[in-house]
Amino acid sequence: NFMLTQPHSVSESPGKTVTISCTRSSGSIASNYVQWYQQRPGSAPTTVIYEDNQRPSGVPDRFSGSIDSSSNSASLTISGLKTEDEADYYCQSYDSSIWVFGGGTKLTVL
Amino acid sequence: EVQLVESGGGLVQPGGSLRLSCAASGFTVSSNYMSWVRQAPGKGLEWVSVIYSGGSTYYADSVKGRFTISRDNSKNTLYLQMNSLRAEDTAVYYCASSKRPDAFDIWGQGTMVTVSS
Repeated sequence: NFMLTQPHSVSESPGKTVTISCTRSSGSIASNYVQWYQQRPGSAPTTVIYEDNQRPSGVPDRFSGSIDSSSNSASLTISGLKTEDEADYYCQSYDSSIWVFGGGTKLTVL
Repeated sequence: EVQLVESGGGLVQPGGSLRLSCAASGFTVSSNYMSWVRQAPGKGLEWVSVIYSGGSTYYADSVKGRFTISRDNSKNTLYLQMNSLRAEDTAVYYCASSKRPDAFDIWGQGTMVTVSS
């Protein structure tokens, strides 16, 4: 099995850009798609990125995803930060009938 | 409207059993990949189990042999039978659906399970 490691927390000011990383411990990050979920306090998760870099309808284009094989990691970038983006963000991937979530990153917009 | 509504959570003693339900509307459970994901208080998300549209089932090692995922196509409902419950099973349990096997597209609002004496 593999693990996905995220920073525990990040903070940035409104209007700025923030990037959250997600590093895969073993196996290639490119071998299976990565998804990103947003979870606001007291609410269920919602998808903000699927299949590495695809946005579901309704998710603003301020959200973007990418993968980097050289660092074996995925990234979620949020530009033009708004206070409503303050939430926990989880990356997720899959391999051999095991679904794995990263530990989550708390984004503070201050 | 596509929606998932969980029910069946509650307080149960260690060693006890509980069955969670997840009623789907706006789509067909049997045509999608249906999963359970849990979140312990103050902790991150943990995948628990999945049932494929073809009927194959998979479990996290932490629940294998104790939990059983199933569905009732006539009721368009997903279930999770939880036996031999432990304190560490305490969590909000979410059901989730997807048209792809590797992700979770639609989530329910969750149901709380507390295992305590």
